[in-house]
Amino acid sequence: GQNIDQPTEMTATEGAIVQINCTYQTSGFNGLFWYQQHAGEAPTFLSYNVLDGLEEKGRFSSFLSRSKGYSYLLLKELQMKDSASYLCAVDRTNAGKSTFGDGTTLTVKP
Amino acid sequence: ETGVTQTPRHLVMGMTNKKSLKCEQHLGHNAMYWYKQSAKKPLELMFVYSLEERVENNSVPSRFSPECPNSSHLFLHLHTLQPEDSALYLCASSQDLRGGPGTGELFFGEGSRLTVL
Repeated sequence: GQNIDQPTEMTATEGAIVQINCTYQTSGFNGLFWYQQHAGEAPTFLSYNVLDGLEEKGRFSSFLSRSKGYSYLLLKELQMKDSASYLCAVDRTNAGKSTFGDGTTLTVKP
Repeated sequence: ETGVTQTPRHLVMGMTNKKSLKCEQHLGHNAMYWYKQSAKKPLELMFVYSLEERVENNSVPSRFSPECPNSSHLFLHLHTLQPEDSALYLCASSQDLRGGPGTGELFFGEGSRLTVL
């Protein structure tokens, strides 16, 4: 089995930077995904990390430390449309597919 | 046309009914999945199919029965459900079971909102 922990809720201001953390405990780690889910919509893929380090994609970056079982999603220049739930998901070599954390609901305020 | 389509979008059924959820992917992917999303709970993986073979069943009650007739279609047959089964059922696909961008990331359908009375 595995444990995936994320903060339940976060609030940030438009234009600011926010970091959403995810910690996990798992065997057979095979990659970590971040997904974004707006209310009433399907989750959509944001980023993937399998090696230690930072992956940057526009305003979004994701970091992974395998030794610490830790990842974060960094959102820069926040916009109102970034208000959504952010889901951390871990793939394992000995399991069918990604197991998800509870998700972090981010609210961006003017 | 979206990549993964699910029907129906909303379904209300009694505990004695039999119904089916349908999922179709137009992406040429090899793997398909059923996830359950309930309020205040994480996405729960229910079933995994790779190349039309079931590779994982996460201790899902037998009142949920999946079917994958080909690599593009996935069904979830429902019978004698309980009110606690009310949830959003999400279908997803990926190019393959493993890997990063371009292969392993999930593409989700819009979901079927199920209410069991």
